[in-house]
Amino acid sequence: GQQLNQSPQSMFIQEGEDVSMNCTSSSIFNTWLWYKQDPGEGPVLLIALYKAGELTSNGRLTAQFGITRKDSFLNISASIPSDVGIYFCAGQLSSGTYKYIFGTGTRLKVLA
Amino acid sequence: NAGVTQTPKFQVLKTGQSMTLQCAQDMNHNSMYWYRQDPGMGLRLIYYSASEGTTDKGEVPNGYNVSRLNKREFSLRLESAAPSQTSVYFCASSGGLKTQYFGPGTRLLVL
Repeated sequence: GQQLNQSPQSMFIQEGEDVSMNCTSSSIFNTWLWYKQDPGEGPVLLIALYKAGELTSNGRLTAQFGITRKDSFLNISASIPSDVGIYFCAGQLSSGTYKYIFGTGTRLKVLA
Repeated sequence: NAGVTQTPKFQVLKTGQSMTLQCAQDMNHNSMYWYRQDPGMGLRLIYYSASEGTTDKGEVPNGYNVSRLNKREFSLRLESAAPSQTSVYFCASSGGLKTQYFGPGTRLLVL
């Protein structure tokens, strides 16, 4: 089946640093979603992207829908301790399905 | 609004026992989903319901059944639980903007 390759798998950063992560696929997507999951909780939607080239911000978070429609990027600026968690990307295929494909997650740890 | 709610939050089963996981949403969404999440893996789709009255298999449907009881509720049933079904189960719903919202999860241990 389709897969989303998410990288990096994990990262340790210093408080105040910027963070970048991405998802890539061999398939074309018509929607990209980015989620954050805290331990013991369900994923929480951060940003939704609907068209190629779209750049959307949510506070210190910025995500982009890749021009090829096969990738997406999430940046976090000036990280703070509460940014700790697992970040997931999810893509909805352009074939009109209602299904979403999820990446395996990027585990972020912020060192104060 | 409560969003997406799931019950129970935790459950321990013995191999061969059955149980139903309940999910409800109050956002008037058409589509609902059941996922499982295992350590080191992303969310894998078990079943989904694009609209009331329809259900379809996802990536890992074996060992599960679902019922879309009405627009609000979508249940997941394990008829004969197996240790391989130990996981965290998430229900989600999606509306017209294609964004998907998740419940808090059900943690299931099968002994």
